[in-house]
Amino acid sequence: ELKVEQNPLFLSMQEGKNYTIYCNYSTTSDRLYWYRQDPGKSLESLFVLLSNGAVKQEGRLMASLDTKARLSTLHITAAVHDLSATYFCAGNSGGSNYKLTFGKGTLLTVNP
Amino acid sequence: EAQVTQNPRYLITVTGKKLTVTCSQNMNHEYMSWYRQDPGLGLRQIYYSMNVEVTDKGDVPEGYKVSRKEKRNFPLILESPSPNQTSLYFCASRDTLAVNEQFFGPGTRLTVL
Repeated sequence: ELKVEQNPLFLSMQEGKNYTIYCNYSTTSDRLYWYRQDPGKSLESLFVLLSNGAVKQEGRLMASLDTKARLSTLHITAAVHDLSATYFCAGNSGGSNYKLTFGKGTLLTVNP
Repeated sequence: EAQVTQNPRYLITVTGKKLTVTCSQNMNHEYMSWYRQDPGLGLRQIYYSMNVEVTDKGDVPEGYKVSRKEKRNFPLILESPSPNQTSLYFCASRDTLAVNEQFFGPGTRLTVL
């Protein structure tokens, strides 16, 4: 059974700073996903990482995957207030492309 | 507009009274899924469906039923709701080939008294 752990669970940072959210998973996962959830809203897909060494970037967010270390990272560059949200990573469990296990989420607050 | 819709958005009910939360998508997606979100626990998958008449259990299926009679609809059924099913529920869909993006519905907040 896949377990997904995110660190940190809470992150308060200042605008302009860089930081990284870590996502560790316990067994092999074919894919690793990142999602964003704004307060009181639904989820939005950010990235899907398909293979070892995969790197995806959009704006100030960059996600990477190291399957050997079973680690994915979401790096935030020069944070702005609009990035304040909860970020979830998720992986496919049980060898299925359809069964999804989420981490508990990282609540990111970017302060002016 | 491409979207996933859920109804109702808010529901307060009592223990044991059967209820159905509907989910519909207009993107012709094969894959649909239900999740529940609880504080401190993140999202947990309840059931998913790979196509019409094909469903399978996620991590927390107990107390829930689903059906997939049509491609666009994937209702979640609580035959005898209990207070521990009080939660925020999300339905989602995606194309099985286009794995990049899963589209989520707006959520249904359910309270079982």
